[in-house]
Amino acid sequence: AQKITQTQPGMFVQEKEAVTLDCTYDTSDQSYGLFWYKQPSSGEMIFLIYQGSYDEQNATEGRYSLNFQKARKSANLVISASQLGDSAMYFCAMREYRDDKIIFGKGTRLHILP
Amino acid sequence: GAVVSQHPSRVICKSGTSVKIECRSLDFQATTMFWYRQFPKKSLMLMATSNEGSKATYEQGVEKDKFLINHASLTLSTLTVTSAHPEDSSFYICSANAGGRRNQPQHFGDGTRLSIL
Repeated sequence: AQKITQTQPGMFVQEKEAVTLDCTYDTSDQSYGLFWYKQPSSGEMIFLIYQGSYDEQNATEGRYSLNFQKARKSANLVISASQLGDSAMYFCAMREYRDDKIIFGKGTRLHILP
Repeated sequence: GAVVSQHPSRVICKSGTSVKIECRSLDFQATTMFWYRQFPKKSLMLMATSNEGSKATYEQGVEKDKFLINHASLTLSTLTVTSAHPEDSSFYICSANAGGRRNQPQHFGDGTRLSIL
């Protein structure tokens, strides 16, 4: 069974608009962490934001925020005031603390339109 | 911040060649490193967990004899693609967890594009 599900293979968003990238996850563990990474066409993985399963507040990092709904097992990434440089592939990932492995979703390709 | 260096960034070689890729943690010690493989426009697929001083743990379906992993020190893990063939062409990327704390992100190398002719 897929542990990380990203249902949006591609998205087109107008510059300066906010965008939400969906992510749902599946785990029976109580302790886990959720991550979002950005991968531009050059290939490097850029860490954006982290949310721990016990964190009560939604994580925020600059223009990035994570809408964490634990009961629904969702961890959507919200990018406010999108910029052309935000065009990239975005991966949602989960680390289950029992084995420390990080598993990635299939990704969402985000295109920011001028 | 924590940095992971991966070398080489690009390899083009003939079929049958063995290729070694290095992954180094530059300013922290990593008892565990991870190796991923990524096909074009696809997600990162975890291949194996590299454990310092012990055998690597491979994911299901990954050939141990094909993808040799050595983690001889706390700052270096190597992946050797043995007798590489065109189907091994891919983007390989390593990562490590800085400080060993679970709320820290995995830091990734910049990846290695392997092309087997």
